[in-house]
Amino acid sequence: DVKVTQSSRYLVKRTGEKVFLECVQDMDHENMFWYRQDPGLGLRLIYFSYDVKMKEKGDIPEGYSVSREKKERFSLILESASTNQTSMYLCASSLGANQETQYFGPGTRLLVL
Amino acid sequence: AQKITQTQPGMFVQEKEAVTLDCTYDTSDQSYGLFWYKQPSSGEMIFLIYQGSYDEQNATEGRYSLNFQKARKSANLVISASQLGDSAMYFCAMRGGSNYQLIWGAGTKLIIKP
Repeated sequence: DVKVTQSSRYLVKRTGEKVFLECVQDMDHENMFWYRQDPGLGLRLIYFSYDVKMKEKGDIPEGYSVSREKKERFSLILESASTNQTSMYLCASSLGANQETQYFGPGTRLLVL
Repeated sequence: AQKITQTQPGMFVQEKEAVTLDCTYDTSDQSYGLFWYKQPSSGEMIFLIYQGSYDEQNATEGRYSLNFQKARKSANLVISASQLGDSAMYFCAMRGGSNYQLIWGAGTKLIIKP
């Protein structure tokens, strides 16, 4: 079974702090994704990566950056957290090569005070 | 532009009844894929079922089946013999033109009544 893990289930940070959310998958998947999910807005793609050190912006990249130094790990960075970044963050991975089913981690609920 | 529409924000269904969750899509691609995911209150998105645009038969996975009507551009999820544990948000998604991204619907909140 595919396993995607995220570093925290719940996180509370203060405005202006730098926040790291980590995601690890154990199935040698090529593609990894970061989404945020807000009530009434559905899932919105922040960034995705199709290979080590490769990244592409999704629909809402502003205020975020990402890092993929190893194939299994994809990090989302909030350089200076703001209250409007309070949200549920979901990481996903997919095999690639036209196998595009995405498998998700348990999510991180981030509260920025 | 590619789009997924789920017109039912919420549904109540009696336990053991079958339930159909609606999903319509819009795409100009000839090759595409359609997905359904379940999100319980715990938050994790769980993959349920996949249908490719060239698949001639409707996909089935246990109690889940996908009623794929290509001409109508619909991909409804059917859950047979619903259970209390089926209470969750359900999302329909489509593989986008980039082949990496999924286009997501707004979701349907399903509540199974005992």
